[in-house]
Amino acid sequence: GQNIDQPTEMTATEGAIVQINCTYQTSGFNGLFWYQQHAGEAPTFLSYNVLDGLEEKGRFSSFLSRSKGYSYLLLKELQMKDSASYLCAVNTNAGKSTFGDGTTLTVKP
Amino acid sequence: EAGVAQSPRYKIIEKRQSVAFWCNPISGHATLYWYQQILGQGPKLLIQFQNNGVVDDSQLPKDRFSAERLKGVDSTLKIQPAKLEDSAVYLCASSLGIGGGINTDTQYFGPGTRLTVL
Repeated sequence: GQNIDQPTEMTATEGAIVQINCTYQTSGFNGLFWYQQHAGEAPTFLSYNVLDGLEEKGRFSSFLSRSKGYSYLLLKELQMKDSASYLCAVNTNAGKSTFGDGTTLTVKP
Repeated sequence: EAGVAQSPRYKIIEKRQSVAFWCNPISGHATLYWYQQILGQGPKLLIQFQNNGVVDDSQLPKDRFSAERLKGVDSTLKIQPAKLEDSAVYLCASSLGIGGGINTDTQYFGPGTRLTVL
């Protein structure tokens, strides 16, 4: 089976930097997705990591360590609209993604 | 390009009634997923189709849930009879294929159907 852990909630200030961690245990690992989900809306794709290292995309970056079963999502220059749930999803080579329960980020002025 | 369409958006039923949800994936997407998302939790996979074949239905409560994907395009998910614990958002997602990483496995989600069972 698969086990994915993320913090339940985080709070940060507008303009700051926040790091959301995800640890996982799985077999048949084929990559790790991060999705953003605003309240009452569907998840949308943010990033994908398959190799170790940092992938940067604008204000958002995602890091993966396959040997440690660890990933993080880094959000810079936080904006109020970044208040959302951030879902870590482990992808297997069967094309199946198993989602964590998400981290609810609240950005305060 | 049109996104994933789902209907209805909201549904309220009494326990023991039946309900059906419909999903139309992005054109050309071979893989279709149904998820159940309970408030405060991540999406839980119910069933995954590749074209019109089932890839994974290990977490589908088959005594009450059924799903089909006729002709490898649209899909319906049915619950019969519904229980109180089925109250959740039912998300449909599609992806280009399976197992090829970002290009094939990135999932695009529909707006979901919020089901309330009273």
